[in-house]
Amino acid sequence: EVQLVESGGGLVQPGGSLRLSCAASGFTFSSYWMSWVRQAPGKGLEWVANIKQDGSEKYYVDSVKGRFTISRDNAKNSLYLQMNSLRAEDTAVYYCARDCETPTIYLDVWGKGTTVTVSS
Amino acid sequence: DIQMTQSPSSLSASVGDRVTITCRASQSISSYLNWYQQKPGKAPKLLIYAASSLQSGVPSRFSGSGSGTDFTLTISSLQPEDFATYYCQQSYSTPHYTFGPGTKVDIK
Repeated sequence: EVQLVESGGGLVQPGGSLRLSCAASGFTFSSYWMSWVRQAPGKGLEWVANIKQDGSEKYYVDSVKGRFTISRDNAKNSLYLQMNSLRAEDTAVYYCARDCETPTIYLDVWGKGTTVTVSS
Repeated sequence: DIQMTQSPSSLSASVGDRVTITCRASQSISSYLNWYQQKPGKAPKLLIYAASSLQSGVPSRFSGSGSGTDFTLTISSLQPEDFATYYCQQSYSTPHYTFGPGTKVDIK
């Protein structure tokens, strides 16, 4: 079964750091771009970042550039999101998702999400 | 940046109704448009990709159409399990993606 399982969420103070993980199974992880998407409480979906199969290309939404770092370990079938200098507006459920590129690009597999709360 | 809008923002419908949701892009995105369904407390689920292709396992009552800037998601006969929020998403500006604000479908 194709599966993504996020972990690492929690309560953190403003200015703090957190590292999210996403464990992939059931597919060849190293063959896919991967994304992080977040959803603030009561709000819509926001794409946060994605990373190429070999980790050589990484892209971010403007609001997290310089604070968040996406990475992956293909040997461990794992995706990561290092979040620094966290702000209250980063409070959200964070989902990892698989980018499928045929014939166009879409997010075809999603994890259940992990909740990040930034509050003092 | 490509902006996405959806209309309506919410609608009330009855089981068996035909429902249409519209998504508009701020510039042409060809057919790089996807639709997702999200139920409360759950992860989004892909319904339609490339504007009109039905994702495997998704009921045929769901369909998508459009190209360029204007797109629609149609549910031909609304079922109880279809009450949810629906999001469009453009991937034309890959690797940067943008979601629409969502359309909530609830029970009349």
